[in-house]
Amino acid sequence: SQQGEEDPQALSIQEGENATMNCSYKTSINNLQWYRQNSGRGLVHLILIRSNEREKHSGRLRVTLDTSKKSSSLLITASRAADTASYFCATDAYSGNTPLVFGKGTRLSVIA
Amino acid sequence: DVKVTQSSRYLVKRTGEKVFLECVQDMDHENMFWYRQDPGLGLRLIYFSYDVKMKEKGDIPEGYSVSREKKERFSLILESASTNQTSMYLCASIPGTGGLKNTEAFFGQGTRLTVV
Repeated sequence: SQQGEEDPQALSIQEGENATMNCSYKTSINNLQWYRQNSGRGLVHLILIRSNEREKHSGRLRVTLDTSKKSSSLLITASRAADTASYFCATDAYSGNTPLVFGKGTRLSVIA
Repeated sequence: DVKVTQSSRYLVKRTGEKVFLECVQDMDHENMFWYRQDPGLGLRLIYFSYDVKMKEKGDIPEGYSVSREKKERFSLILESASTNQTSMYLCASIPGTGGLKNTEAFFGQGTRLTVV
């Protein structure tokens, strides 16, 4: 099944820096979503970007989508220690009634 | 707020036991899902359901079954638990009929199952 692949697998930055995570996928999609997971917990939805959108903002989050390259990026600006978590992208296939397929995630560590 | 509740945070079971993982959502969502999460493998879909009494296999259904007798409850069943089913299990629900387009998923807090 199709799957988003996040890059890098792990990222360590200082508090106040920006964090950028990337996601690549294989087939046409309706939308791409980003989720966050604190250690040992469930996933929490962050942002959804539709296939006809190129950029979306939510607070300190900025998501871009390039459907020609089948890729997306998540930027977290002015990171905080509380942003330490794993981040996943999820996609659905353009055709059919398919459920969300998740990538393997990027583990972000923000050091105070 | 939408709430998806999984019956246990931690569970320890013996090999060969029949195990039930329960998931309940309180927002009348049509679609419910079971994923398992393992280090280095991300989230993998086990089963999902679009409606009561309906079920569809995901990517890794072997060794599992599901039950959806009521709209709000989606149960994952390990018929005979094995050590390779030790994992984090995540339940999710998505609102809407006629497809899953452009809607976010709501997750439970996860059940960490250990089979010994």
